[in-house]
Amino acid sequence: ETGVTQTPRHLVMGMTNKKSLKCEQHLGHNAMYWYKQSAKKPLELMFVYSLEERVENNSVPSRFSPECPNSSHLFLHLHTLQPEDSALYLCASSQVFRTTGELFFGEGSRLTVL
Amino acid sequence: GESVGLHLPTLSVQEGDNSIINCAYSNSASDYFIWYKQESGKGPQFIIDIRSNMDKRQGQRVTVLLNKTVKHLSLQIAATQPGDSAVYFCAENNAGNTPLVFGKGTRLSVIA
Repeated sequence: ETGVTQTPRHLVMGMTNKKSLKCEQHLGHNAMYWYKQSAKKPLELMFVYSLEERVENNSVPSRFSPECPNSSHLFLHLHTLQPEDSALYLCASSQVFRTTGELFFGEGSRLTVL
Repeated sequence: GESVGLHLPTLSVQEGDNSIINCAYSNSASDYFIWYKQESGKGPQFIIDIRSNMDKRQGQRVTVLLNKTVKHLSLQIAATQPGDSAVYFCAENNAGNTPLVFGKGTRLSVIA
């Protein structure tokens, strides 16, 4: 079992749909992250949760809505997305926020917006 | 703004040769650096990290070199294998005060 699990792995949605991405970490970490990975761009940090509290929100459009019900689970709720939102969405976790050390990534959810 | 970037977007290497992937960073306050490998269809995986009080660190077949004077980081892969084909990212942060900042990535292709 991998440390960080993301579902679904692939998602195709229309611009008017509402869907959610799910992330679960089995590492006992206190911080969880959502990153967006687009072609030919660096990984873009979207949201950070530390101990279930949102600590960073990097000017992400409101059509992306994160939720962290507990320290092991993180969701990204999607609604009225645009085609340019098509990307790989990566979830990551770390032992604590604001520390050096690696992030542990999931395999990503490949999102296509039609 | 300050950012981490990579010199070359693609690198092709003959199997068995050594690979060198470079990274430039602009934040002189950065004190922690990390390399990730991302294979097709997978999430990034940790390879090796280094703190600013070191200039070299070795792992299994990989070495990271840090030159703080010119703000340059490199990843050396010895005896490159087909399984090393992937995109490699460097990332940095400043004493954990910010989340990791990632570069664009270099695609390494290994020619058999």
